[in-house]
This record gives sequence, C-alpha cells and structure tokens, in this order.
Amino acid sequence: GESVGLHLPTLSVQEGDNSIINCAYSNSASDYFIWYKQESGKGPQFIIDIRSNMDKRQGQRVTVLLNKTVKHLSLQIAATQPGDSAVYFCAENISSGGGTSYGKLTFGQGTILTVHP
Amino acid sequence: DGGITQSPKYLFRKEGQNVTLSCEQNLNHDAMYWYRQDPGQGLRLIYYSQIVNDFQKGDIAEGYSVSREKKESFPLTVTSAQKNPTAFYLCASSMVRGQPQHFGDGTRLSIL
Repeated sequence: GESVGLHLPTLSVQEGDNSIINCAYSNSASDYFIWYKQESGKGPQFIIDIRSNMDKRQGQRVTVLLNKTVKHLSLQIAATQPGDSAVYFCAENISSGGGTSYGKLTFGQGTILTVHP
Repeated sequence: DGGITQSPKYLFRKEGQNVTLSCEQNLNHDAMYWYRQDPGQGLRLIYYSQIVNDFQKGDIAEGYSVSREKKESFPLTVTSAQKNPTAFYLCASSMVRGQPQHFGDGTRLSIL
C-alpha cells in the first residue's frame, strides 16, 4: 500500500536574518528542556538548554524562551548563517517522583531550517 | 577527544537475523540511551540505562534487547521479532541528573 510521509514544519530565511523556531510541549510537569540541531546523516547536536525555573537563557547567537503558561518553547538564532541549515528538535524532560530529573527525554517532531545565501 | 562512538555506520540485516549495534562512550556518563528515528520524525526511546547492570524499557522496546555490563558500553540487539527494523538508530549518554544527552552519529539499518 501507499505510505504517507510526515511533513515537518519548515522555515526558510535569508542569510543574516534572525530565525525563530517554535515548539509546543505537552506536559506541565516537564522541568527541563533542550534544543538540538541535526544535520543530515548525523546525530543531534546540543545547542542550549533551560530549566523550568527560568524563562530565558542566552548562548552564543542563540536564545531560548520558555512560556510555561502556554507550554511553549522557542529558539531564536541571531544573524542566521548557511551553516545553521538543519533540522531543529526540542526535547522535554518530565520530572520523576521526588523532584529529580534523570534525563529521560521526549522529542518533538522537528523543524527544518533552510538558510539562503 | 571525549565522545560517543557508534558502529557500524551502515548495517544490513537479512530476514530472521539478529543484529547488534555497538555504542561506546568515554565521557564517564552514568546513563545511556537508544533511540530510533524514522524519516521525517523525531526520536523515539527504545531502552535506557541509568547504571551498570540495570536498564529500562522505553516507549518502543518490543523486538529489541540491550545489555549494560560496562559503564562505557550499551549494545543494542535488533531481533527477528522486530518486524520493521529499517531506521536510523541513535545512541546517547548523559550524567543522570537532568544534564543534556550527547549523541553519537548513528547507525543506519536496512533490510536485505
């Protein structure tokens, strides 16, 4: 039978523009969030993380914003470059009983970012 | 350099055959994980291990088995019971308490 592939969200930007990639998470008990970048044929690469007691965290050219009220996470990339082209995943960690996080992550579907020179 | 090594990069399996994917880390991480990634999808957790000689099923463990005899090694066996094994398999490791997982570069498994 015919198979139907999933279509990932896509974002196309011009080199030098700022990019914003969004992610909705599902569980209000999630206490730790990570953004990963995955290039074709490679494993995901850690970009930045944020804990639920924060609403903003900045790295080099990247900023993550967390809105717990609406369960929304975003990744902002400043001055996007062609080398930023990849699939970007958000991941959430749901706190285990006792309040400690042992690192079991649930991943989103991903967003394809294409940067045009 | 510290990191996670997965081998082989490409693997082919015949019908009815078990195959084992290797994952080694020299990051001194306690926890290790196996994920499966299908085209256009996110990662799904197969098995994870928080400590040597202990491991837990993830969301899609059926048809897979693991062992954790050494801290640095977490091999995954894809058994003949896994009816749709063609996928990209990713291994990761982390310190146990809420630290980011670091990934290897994956093994792509195909059926002959």
